[in-house]
Amino acid sequence: EIVLTQSPDFQSVTPKEKVTLTCRASQGIGSSLHWYQQKPDQSPKLLIKYASQSISGVPSRFSGSGSGTDFTLTINSLEAEDAATYYCHQSSNFPYTFGQGTRLEIK
Amino acid sequence: EVQLVESGGALVKPGGSLRLSCAGSGFSFSSYSMNWVRQAPGKGLEWVTSSSSTNNHIAYADSVKGRFTISRDNAQNSLFLQMDSLRAEDTAIYYCVRGNYGDYWGQGTLVTVSS
Repeated sequence: EIVLTQSPDFQSVTPKEKVTLTCRASQGIGSSLHWYQQKPDQSPKLLIKYASQSISGVPSRFSGSGSGTDFTLTINSLEAEDAATYYCHQSSNFPYTFGQGTRLEIK
Repeated sequence: EVQLVESGGALVKPGGSLRLSCAGSGFSFSSYSMNWVRQAPGKGLEWVTSSSSTNNHIAYADSVKGRFTISRDNAQNSLFLQMDSLRAEDTAIYYCVRGNYGDYWGQGTLVTVSS
């Protein structure tokens, strides 16, 4: 099973800051890594697919990079509405797996 | 508009069974692989099972293998999850999710396993 480890578990940031979240895979997964945002009492929402591909309707301040085992989600100029938990997910190998999540708090 | 609507969640006793359904609309259901993902209360996301577009490739998480069965009816644009031998640790919101990268999620249906 491929283990995805996200860091940090929690981060408190101020509006307009730039934030970088990381996701590390226990073995290479190419670019089969996707990022989601989940707000309380809502379903997860896809932000980035295949490591770096943007999603229609997602603000351009969200971007992704990486391949192999190391991936990052960058949020430029953070907004209050970005307060949420962020998950990475790999679809390279079954069983598919998720990272444990990073909770982002806006000060 | 793409929609996924889950149903069938309920309170069930340990050892019991439950069948979840997911109705898809607004897209060509038979062209997509489909998944079930769950989230225990206050916890993270856990992938449960996937079915290829024609249901000929299926995979399960070890935690549910032998107890859960995924199936689909492409003619009815529906996905199912048969859950048997339920345990307390299966308590979660179950989401129906489209495709290899989860571009659409349903609102979820709550399964509670408790005596």
